[in-house]
Amino acid sequence: GQNIDQPTEMTATEGAIVQINCTYQTSGFNGLFWYQQHAGEAPTFLSYNVLDGLEEKGRFSSFLSRSKGYSYLLLKELQMKDSASYLCAVRGLNQAGTALIFGKGTTLSVSS
Amino acid sequence: DAGVIQSPRHEVTEMGQEVTLRCKPISGHNSLFWYRQTMMRGLELLIYFNNNVPIDDSGMPEDRFSAKMPNASFSTLKIQPSEPRDSAVYFCASSFYNEKLFFGSGTQLSVL
Repeated sequence: GQNIDQPTEMTATEGAIVQINCTYQTSGFNGLFWYQQHAGEAPTFLSYNVLDGLEEKGRFSSFLSRSKGYSYLLLKELQMKDSASYLCAVRGLNQAGTALIFGKGTTLSVSS
Repeated sequence: DAGVIQSPRHEVTEMGQEVTLRCKPISGHNSLFWYRQTMMRGLELLIYFNNNVPIDDSGMPEDRFSAKMPNASFSTLKIQPSEPRDSAVYFCASSFYNEKLFFGSGTQLSVL
């Protein structure tokens, strides 16, 4: 089976840095994704890690440790528009290897 | 590219009625996914197809749910008969092999 855990809610202020953690237990591993979802909208892709280490993309970075079953999403220079739900998703290993299993998401509220 | 197209955007129906949700994946994508999202359970994988073939339908709640993909550009998710507990947002997503998923705008289903 697969289990993905992330905090339910987080709050932060504009200009700050926030780290959203994700731990996972899966039968096989073939990549970890982070998606952003604004209220009432569809999830949109943020980042992808398949090897250990840090992937940086502008204000957003994502880290992966496969041995620990752990990832985090780092958001720098927070803006009000970053208020959204952040979904951690893992691609396991199955006969086709393409389906993503999502965590329940972390709702981030950014205040001024 | 128009992205993943879902219809209808909103569906309100009465318990016992048949509901059909539709999805057009991004042209050239060979994998299609149906997810359901609720506050309690988050984003759950229902079924996915590779090259129009259903690969894993273990997430389909029960026999009332069925999904088809008659060709590479169209898929349906049918609920018959519908029940109030089926109320949720249903997302369709597509990808090219193991690349990132692109989501449609979703169908907000309310079963009264």
